Amino acid sequence: ELKVEQNPLFLSMQEGKNYTIYCNYSTTSDRLYWYRQDPGKSLESLFVLLSNGAVKQEGRLMASLDTKARLSTLHITAAVHDLSATYFCAVGRLTFGEGTQLTVNP
Amino acid sequence: GAGVSQSPSNKVTEKGKDVELRCDPISGHTALYWYRQSLGQGLEFLIYFQGNSAPDKSGLPSDRFSAERTGGSVSTLTIQRTQQEDSAVYLCASSLGARGTSGASYNEQFFGPGTRLTVL
Repeated sequence: ELKVEQNPLFLSMQEGKNYTIYCNYSTTSDRLYWYRQDPGKSLESLFVLLSNGAVKQEGRLMASLDTKARLSTLHITAAVHDLSATYFCAVGRLTFGEGTQLTVNP
Repeated sequence: GAGVSQSPSNKVTEKGKDVELRCDPISGHTALYWYRQSLGQGLEFLIYFQGNSAPDKSGLPSDRFSAERTGGSVSTLTIQRTQQEDSAVYLCASSLGARGTSGASYNEQFFGPGTRLTVL
């Protein structure tokens, strides 16, 4: 059974700081997704990572995939308040992690 | 050019009643998924439709849950004899649906706004 674990589950950070969210998964997969969910809203696709070593960047967010380590990271650079949301990684046939609730404080 | 739409946006029902939730995927998307999200939780996969293939029902939590997709487009998720633990947000997603080696779509999924179901 595929398991997907994110950490941390809760993250409070100051504006301007950097941080990384980790996503580990238990069985081989060749694709990984990152989504963002604002409170009371649906999920918005951020990144689709399809191969080992894939790196994608959008604004202050950068995602990478290491299929050998079964690990993906979502790196936040110089955080701003607008990034406050819950971030989910998902693997394979959309098995989701528990989500990381990010709060960026002024 | 609308995205995925779902109806109703909110549904309050009494325990034991049946409910139907509707999903209209993006036109041209052949893959359609249903998920359930309980308060403060991640997403639980329920069922997956891909074109004319038999749906993957492996995520349905009990035989009270069923779904169909008519004409390869609109889908209806039906919950019979609702229970309080069925209360959740039910999310639908669609994608272009190119089937990958593990049977899932390579293409990103677009989610609808969800239906918030409350069972009293």
